[in-house]
Amino acid sequence: NAGVTQTPKFRVLKTGQSMTLLCAQDMNHEYMYWYRQDPGMGLRLIHYSVGEGTTAKGEVPDGYNVSRLKKQNFLLGLESAAPSQTSVYFCASNEGGYGYTFGSGTRLTVV
Amino acid sequence: EDQVTQSPEALRLQEGESSSLNCSYTVSGLRGLFWYRQDPGKGPEFLFTLYSAGEEKEKERLKATLTKKESFLHITAPKPEDSATYLCAVQASYNTDKLIFGTGTRLQVFP
Repeated sequence: NAGVTQTPKFRVLKTGQSMTLLCAQDMNHEYMYWYRQDPGMGLRLIHYSVGEGTTAKGEVPDGYNVSRLKKQNFLLGLESAAPSQTSVYFCASNEGGYGYTFGSGTRLTVV
Repeated sequence: EDQVTQSPEALRLQEGESSSLNCSYTVSGLRGLFWYRQDPGKGPEFLFTLYSAGEEKEKERLKATLTKKESFLHITAPKPEDSATYLCAVQASYNTDKLIFGTGTRLQVFP
């Protein structure tokens, strides 16, 4: 049972490039989330989904887009990467109100 | 504005030296308070959920307690393997779709 799997684990982008981060969960959870973690800022919610085909904005959504075409997958896209998006990105899932299960993270550097 | 504040930012303990971490919160109606452990380079790992004032939960050397304004994570006779960052998060009753995280306490336990 893998839980929450994130790919890739590391990535370096040049300013202006685009990329997609993939999150997959095998626990049949309805809720999925994308967070970013920066030193001294804690975990901040980017976008989330309360079920297949739904998405909603979190605290820091600008510059990101998401899609949840299948229940088990939640994709985070950066259309035109900026240095301010250098961060560690975490995906999480849960079943409404219970403890989140997090992935191991994607470390993204934008140069 | 809903807010979570953790203290201290960092804590150094000798093995066997018990202590407590604090999580104070302001939220318009608390549905749940969550504690997570995060090891370097990994995603947060769920520890406890507390729902009402007076509630306590234990796991090995850790015990979490909750009042109407704060939560404590008590660490009894810590070992070096307890070294990690401990994160606190709250879920508001008016918006159960997401968690609000504190910035964490970085705990180091020396032999």
